[in-house]
Amino acid sequence: SQQGEEDPQALSIQEGENATMNCSYKTSINNLQWYRQNSGRGLVHLILIRSNEREKHSGRLRVTLDTSKKSSSLLITASRAADTASYFCATAGIGGRRALTFGSGTRLQVQP
Amino acid sequence: GAVVSQHPSWVICKSGTSVKIECRSLDFQATTMFWYRQFPKQSLMLMATSNEGSKATYEQGVEKDKFLINHASLTLSTLTVTSAHPEDSSFYICSAWTGLSGANVLTFGAGSRLTVL
Repeated sequence: SQQGEEDPQALSIQEGENATMNCSYKTSINNLQWYRQNSGRGLVHLILIRSNEREKHSGRLRVTLDTSKKSSSLLITASRAADTASYFCATAGIGGRRALTFGSGTRLQVQP
Repeated sequence: GAVVSQHPSWVICKSGTSVKIECRSLDFQATTMFWYRQFPKQSLMLMATSNEGSKATYEQGVEKDKFLINHASLTLSTLTVTSAHPEDSSFYICSAWTGLSGANVLTFGAGSRLTVL
C-alpha cells in the first residue's frame, strides 16, 4: 500500500529556479529515500537520509527529514531542463530489508 | 555500479496469452527481488517479493495464480502474467537490494510496458 502523499503532484518551473517537493509518511521508518523516474523508465536512487539525520546534501540536492511530523522535503537548486522527471519518496520500515513503500510522486517540469 | 536488467522493455500481446518478464542482476547476486506495478502517472505498488529458492510473497490483493513469480537462481527472477487481459496492461518494474550494507537502497530495472489487446 502507498505510504503517503507527496505535494505538489505537479510542478512547473523555469531553468535556474529551485524546486521543492514534500513528502509525508505514516509509519515509523528506518530511512527515507528519494528516487527519480524519467518517463517510461525505471527509477534511479538519488539520496538516502536515515531516521536519525535531519538534513543531507548531495550536489544540487538537499533533503530534510522531520520524524516528529513524519515529513521530508527534497530541494533541487539551480534546476536544469534535464531535471524534468517524476520524483518519488520511499520509506524503509524498521526491521529487516523489506520492500520500499513509495509516495505518490511529484512530476517536475523544468522549462528551458 | 550494480545493474538490474529487465527484458522485454515493452510487449504487446493478445488477450488470453501469457507473457514472461525477466529480471537479471548483472554483476551481483540478488537473493531477494521486488516486483512493482505502476499505472500511468501513478506511484509504484508492490506486487510481490521474490525469494531465491523459495515461494514468492504476494501483497494483499495480488493474484498469485495470475502473476507467477519464479526466482530459480541468484541472478534471475521472472514474472509471468498468465491469461493476460486488458486490465493487466501496465508498467512492471523489478528491483533488487544494492548499496551500503544494511541500507535499503533499491536498484531498478528499466521496466517492462505490457499492453494487452
